[in-house]
Amino acid sequence: EDKVVQSPLSLVVHEGDTVTLNCSYEVTNFRSLLWYKQEKKAPTFLFMLTSSGIEKKSGRLSSILDKKELSSILNITATQTGDSAIYLCAVEATDSWGKLQFGAGTQVVVTP
Amino acid sequence: NAGVMQNPRHLVRRRGQEARLRCSPMKGHSHVYWYRQLPEEGLKFMVYLQKENIIDESGMPKERFSAEFPKEGPSILRIQQVVRGDSAAYFCASSSYNSPLHFGNGTRLTVT
Repeated sequence: EDKVVQSPLSLVVHEGDTVTLNCSYEVTNFRSLLWYKQEKKAPTFLFMLTSSGIEKKSGRLSSILDKKELSSILNITATQTGDSAIYLCAVEATDSWGKLQFGAGTQVVVTP
Repeated sequence: NAGVMQNPRHLVRRRGQEARLRCSPMKGHSHVYWYRQLPEEGLKFMVYLQKENIIDESGMPKERFSAEFPKEGPSILRIQQVVRGDSAAYFCASSSYNSPLHFGNGTRLTVT
């Protein structure tokens, strides 16, 4: 059965710190890994990764996929209080388009 | 900004009543997905639809739940004879071909 495990489950950091979130997965016929940010409402799309070793960046956020290790990391540098959220990792298989298997998420709290 | 629109935002039903949740996909998106988020749990896939077709309903409970995406109008997730265990946040997502899912703000269903 497909599985996505995120770590840590939660963490508290001070503004300005760097955060690294982990996601490991087991999926048959891997197609893509996606990161979402969920505040109180909709999960907001961050990154979609399909190729190993290619870093995707958006401002202070970046992510990379390691297909050999079946894992991905999401980095947030110079954290701000607005980064406080639950960060969700999900994987998609080639024969299950749109059927994402989500991890439980990592809750990040950034204190001023 | 025509994102994924869901309504109502909050819905309260008594046990045994019916709940109807509506979702209008982003402009240009023809694929609609429903996910459920139970308290303290991750997002779980329920169903994937295209116009007038159910593509994958493997995550949908066999009884009381149904979904449709008619030629005209929004997608509807219908829950008949609701029970307390149906209380959850129901998220709709949409995508176009080969693009990541974009989620709506969800409908929070409370069954009393």
